[in-house]
Amino acid sequence: GAGVSQTPSNKVTEKGKYVELRCDPISGHTALYWYRQSLGQGPEFLIYFQGTGAADDSGLPNDRFFAVRPEGSVSTLKIQRTERGDSAVYLCASSLTGESPLHFGNGTRLTVT
Amino acid sequence: QQPVQSPQAVILREGEDAVINCSSSKALYSVHWYRQKHGEAPVFLMILLKGGEQKGHDKISASFNEKKQQSSLYLTASQLSYSGTYFCGTGANAGGTSYGKLTFGQGTILTVHP
Repeated sequence: GAGVSQTPSNKVTEKGKYVELRCDPISGHTALYWYRQSLGQGPEFLIYFQGTGAADDSGLPNDRFFAVRPEGSVSTLKIQRTERGDSAVYLCASSLTGESPLHFGNGTRLTVT
Repeated sequence: QQPVQSPQAVILREGEDAVINCSSSKALYSVHWYRQKHGEAPVFLMILLKGGEQKGHDKISASFNEKKQQSSLYLTASQLSYSGTYFCGTGANAGGTSYGKLTFGQGTILTVHP
């Protein structure tokens, strides 16, 4: 079956612009996560959705970052007024339940120039 | 607090064994192991829960020592396909329930040569 799908795979934007990153989880997976991975580092937790609601958004670095999952499936990570420090690979993962293994997508490589 | 992985990198010949360690300064509830190849998504290997169990499949196994707050990943008779970066992630425990909010280590780069 299809895995976790993330679009776009690459995004280059100018400092100060707004970007949206999309994640399409595995069908039936109720839990969805966003992580951010910088070069040479492990993924860093951003936010966790259980169904439509954000159950834990403690990893969002500041209020420029926001994520939604309005129908409990597809999620969008939104970044306002992008900064060069936001450049990273943004990974989405889904799991069947909150306690199941994570299935990661291939990520969106965001570059802020 | 980020768990600490050791070694940072290891180079093997096909057929050799390796151990990767993951240590935490906080009490561990669960430890997750993932492997990531360059430019690809991390792929799940196994989860170990509090209780000191050991798990394995094929030639990869792992242990979880609650007392030492440490987990180890054992790769035996390594294959070329084992090459990649291995990450341990420690799981959150919210009200007795663990979920996928993981704090990952910095990774261990494993290279297997023919």
